[in-house]
Amino acid sequence: QSALTQPRSVSGSPGQSVTITCTGTRSDVGVYDFVSWYQKHPGKAPKLMIFDVTKRPSGVPDRFSGSKSGNTASLTISGLQAEDEADYYCSSYAGSYTFVFGTGTEVNVL
Amino acid sequence: QVQLLQSGAEVKRPGSSVKVSCKVSGGSFSSYGFNWVRQAPGQGLKWMGGIIPVFGTAHYAQGYQARVTISTDESTNTIYMELRSLRYEDTAVYYCARDGTIRGSYDFWGQGTLVTVSS
Repeated sequence: QSALTQPRSVSGSPGQSVTITCTGTRSDVGVYDFVSWYQKHPGKAPKLMIFDVTKRPSGVPDRFSGSKSGNTASLTISGLQAEDEADYYCSSYAGSYTFVFGTGTEVNVL
Repeated sequence: QVQLLQSGAEVKRPGSSVKVSCKVSGGSFSSYGFNWVRQAPGQGLKWMGGIIPVFGTAHYAQGYQARVTISTDESTNTIYMELRSLRYEDTAVYYCARDGTIRGSYDFWGQGTLVTVSS
């Protein structure tokens, strides 16, 4: 159960789009369409932003979208806003009710 | 509204055990999954384990399997996480989270419990 691989950081100016990748294996991301994305601000609990690869929970802006190709899932934030500055983590089902998180990506709004 | 209320901060000696509780209110208990996630200082989120109360069997990450036990008390809608043989590197914030789809969508989270391992 090695952590999923994410870039350490991505940056963008307000209004731009950024994409965060999440690379796993054929044992997790590659075989299950059960990838979730979480936003985490310091000192706060994580917040679910995307589940089942592409679905958005109620209340999450449609600027956030998810996709997957092979062993790599992606989160795209369109129309970047200052409040989007946070750490983002992917997570994937890995079989037998076990899960694995990504290494985390810091999103910087320039 | 669903709420997960965790027990308070703990300071523990190396080699001892800690048991963190997570009381669920405002929603069904048995038919969702509940998981424990931790974040050590300056590090990322780590999945520790989870349980679906209606099935009763807990599942654990390989790195914690020998030292952690996740259990439930359906009479009080509470989930517990016990970590044994504590090490300095177990110092972290521990979160409980509800899995709303039983597929890893953690839609409600506890406030976090800081466990400090110190001599």
